[in-house]
Amino acid sequence: QSALTQPASVSGSPGQSITISCTGTGSDVGGYSHVSWYQQRPGKAPKLMIYEVSKWPSGVSNRFSGSKSGNTASLTISGLQAEDEADYYCSSYTSSNTWVFGGGTKLTVL
Amino acid sequence: QVQLVESGGGVVQPGRSLRLSCAASGFSFSSFVMQWVRQAPGKGLEGMAVISYDGRNQFYAESVKGRFTISRDNSKNTLELHMDSLRPDDTALYYCARTFMWSFDVWGQGTMVAVSS
Repeated sequence: QSALTQPASVSGSPGQSITISCTGTGSDVGGYSHVSWYQQRPGKAPKLMIYEVSKWPSGVSNRFSGSKSGNTASLTISGLQAEDEADYYCSSYTSSNTWVFGGGTKLTVL
Repeated sequence: QVQLVESGGGVVQPGRSLRLSCAASGFSFSSFVMQWVRQAPGKGLEGMAVISYDGRNQFYAESVKGRFTISRDNSKNTLELHMDSLRPDDTALYYCARTFMWSFDVWGQGTMVAVSS
């Protein structure tokens, strides 16, 4: 199972919105609504930010939102804040009954 | 509180075996699908192995199929990963993670495995 495709880096200024894409295939992203997004700060374990394409876990800000169209999912962060600077990973359930991750996107808040 | 604590990592020579453990607490362990996810130094996340809530079904990424075995003991609230024929590219931080609604909602702090001669 090949990794999902994410941009290596994105950047934005405080208050702006950014979007991170995550492209897979019909065997993962396109075939299921089981896409999730994770934030990982240096030296820390990943933190679930979005599940089932667009749902928020308890305690996660609604500045984070998710969507999906075809084989591509997206994470949008609105009202960018300095604390949002981190690596972001998408993940999808696959037809092999396993999960695949994207390569990760480094978000820089300018 | 809900917690996962991994242990068992270390330095091991290529071709040798190693067993990782994950102790769960604060939730009904037997009700959840569990997984192992690894992260090579400076690299991204890789889902490796999945086990059903009752331990009857296991699924593996191609990169570890036939070499790694995931298991669980619901009476002891523990998850294990037995790794055989280790290779240098297995060097990574290994996380155990709870699966909820097709996502990983609880993560441990990870245990480091380094495969080197």
